[in-house]
Formats: sequence, structure tokens, C-alpha cells
Amino acid sequence: SQTIHQWPATLVQPVGSPLSLECTVEGTSNPNLYWYRQAAGRGLQLLFYSVGIGQISSEVPQNLSASRPQDRQFILSSKKLLLSDSGFYLCACSAAQREKLFFGSGTQLSVL
Amino acid sequence: SQQGEEDPQALSIQEGENATMNCSYKTSINNLQWYRQNSGRGLVHLILIRSNEREKHSGRLRVTLDTSKKSSSLLITASRAADTASYFCATDKTGANNLFFGTGTRLTVIP
Repeated sequence: SQTIHQWPATLVQPVGSPLSLECTVEGTSNPNLYWYRQAAGRGLQLLFYSVGIGQISSEVPQNLSASRPQDRQFILSSKKLLLSDSGFYLCACSAAQREKLFFGSGTQLSVL
Repeated sequence: SQQGEEDPQALSIQEGENATMNCSYKTSINNLQWYRQNSGRGLVHLILIRSNEREKHSGRLRVTLDTSKKSSSLLITASRAADTASYFCATDKTGANNLFFGTGTRLTVIP
């Protein structure tokens, strides 16, 4: 089955600094890939999803961007972090849209 | 919004008791899923029930779906301390490509 590697586990960044979170997937090919953000004690907000290399769909206009340079690699980036970017970021994959998701272990981002 | 809403927000029970969590949603769906999240970790898929199914079982889990009421319930029988976690429902939306998550039920099972 799929394994998702997501790093780092925690990250503290100053406001205005850049961001790069990486996610890689093993055990499957041509997965659908997702970036979610979870505020403390809340549900998940979908940020980006990708159905293939170079194909990115954005769900929420914001300070972040995503890229998929390889089939099983998904990167979340920002040029300048805002305080409101703090949260728990989760990468996920699925074999098909709307089917079950496999999640990485998450990155807790604190922007100070 | 399509986002599901879990009820209750928090639930505390004794080990061995059953735990029931509910999820309501607003529009037509193709399937509904339940996930579990331990504190500070990623979500783990528990069960998927399709819109043409009414009940599904997996071990100590029982999920029901009532599309006429736009609601689902997750029952955990004979709860264990290790079941302590947050539980989320996720729905798709007919015509949409993605899942929408609720805000979760925080379950605490007291040993």
C-alpha cells in the first residue's frame, strides 16, 4: 500500500521568510496528490490537489503555491510567510478522486 | 457549504462502552468516509460507504448512511483506551473532485 513521506515534522519560521514543504509517495504510481491545512481543533481545508505532473488545482486563493515536478513528489511553497499561514499541513494521496485518502504524518508550521 | 458537521464535538466514555458519532451534510454525495486522527498525526482512513449502501461494518466499527436525512453515524463498540482520537467524516459532492471534511468529534475513552 501507499506510504507518504512528509517532512519536516515541525517548523518555526519568521514572518516574511520563504517556505518549502516536500511530500513523496511510495507504493503507487500516478496518484492524486493533495495538500490540506488544519487549524488547531478544526477540520481540514483543501489547499491544492494534483492529478498529474505539472497539473495543480488551487482551492483557496492565498499566499501559497504548489508544484508537482515528479509523479510522486508534491511541494508546497511560499515566497513570504504570513502569520495566518501557521497551521498543521498534511499531504495526502489517493488512487482516484473522491476515493480514500492516505495521509502523511503532517508538518506543524508556526510563523512568528 | 458542503462540509460535513460532526456531532457531538466531544465525547467522553468509559472503556467497554459504545461510542456513537454523527455526521450531517448538505448536498448529494457519491460516498461518505470516516477518518481517525491521533493528536498531532495524520488522518487514517477507517471506512467508506457509498450512497447506495445503508450500513457497513469493519471490525468494531459500524457505519450507517441515511441519504434521505443526509446523515451518517459511526458506532465504535466495546471501546478501548486506544480508540481515543478525533474522528472526522468526509463527503464528496456530486460533480466535485475532492473531499470535504467536518470539524471532527474528539473521543476520549477512559480506562
